[in-house]
Amino acid sequence: KAGVTQTPRYLIKTRGQQVTLSCSPISGHRSVSWYQQTPGQGLQFLFEYFSETQRNKGNFPGRFSGRQFSNSRSEMNVSTLELGDSALYLCASSFGTLTDTQYFGPGTRLTVL
Amino acid sequence: AQTVTQSQPEMSVQEAETVTLSCTYDTSESDYYLFWYKQPPSRQMILVIRQEAYKQQNATENRFSVNFQKAAKSFSLKISDSQLGDAAMYFCAYRTRLGTSYGKLTFGQGTILTVHP
Repeated sequence: KAGVTQTPRYLIKTRGQQVTLSCSPISGHRSVSWYQQTPGQGLQFLFEYFSETQRNKGNFPGRFSGRQFSNSRSEMNVSTLELGDSALYLCASSFGTLTDTQYFGPGTRLTVL
Repeated sequence: AQTVTQSQPEMSVQEAETVTLSCTYDTSESDYYLFWYKQPPSRQMILVIRQEAYKQQNATENRFSVNFQKAAKSFSLKISDSQLGDAAMYFCAYRTRLGTSYGKLTFGQGTILTVHP
């Protein structure tokens, strides 16, 4: 079974631009969670989508948004990029219950110049 | 809010030896899950082991085992017969069973493990 895939793997943007990251979950998984990983803040939860609905969100500004499609693929968008948005963005998929395990993709490395 | 603390920023071990990584957590809940994830230089997060809080028996996966002390809120990972491929950043993570926290893992700061040949 194919794992979680994320595209693109690397991105370079400039301040003020916006960016869209994509995540394709493991086949059969309906939940996608997004995390931001930085050296200073570590791994922080952004939000979770299940069946095209956001069920949970972390403490991030409204510039960070997401959506999920009917095939469970998810996109994350960051508008008006700031230097501090430079990070590794990880997505994780699961069946979406309270008892299952999340499996992570390889991440998208975003650099904001 | 739940917090997870890994007090060892770095650890090292000789190949074939045993090493233990520490993790403590703070929660007022009684039903939750704990995980250890491994992140090698490729940055891919890989599940190492999972523990259900309601199970008293410690989880094991081949060379990896945990020491789960619920009352002490401690969850350490023991790696036996360490291999060069075990070198990575290890993260301890907590997940509640409450519905308000769908999809959310709370991570510790990570421990970098170096394996010497």
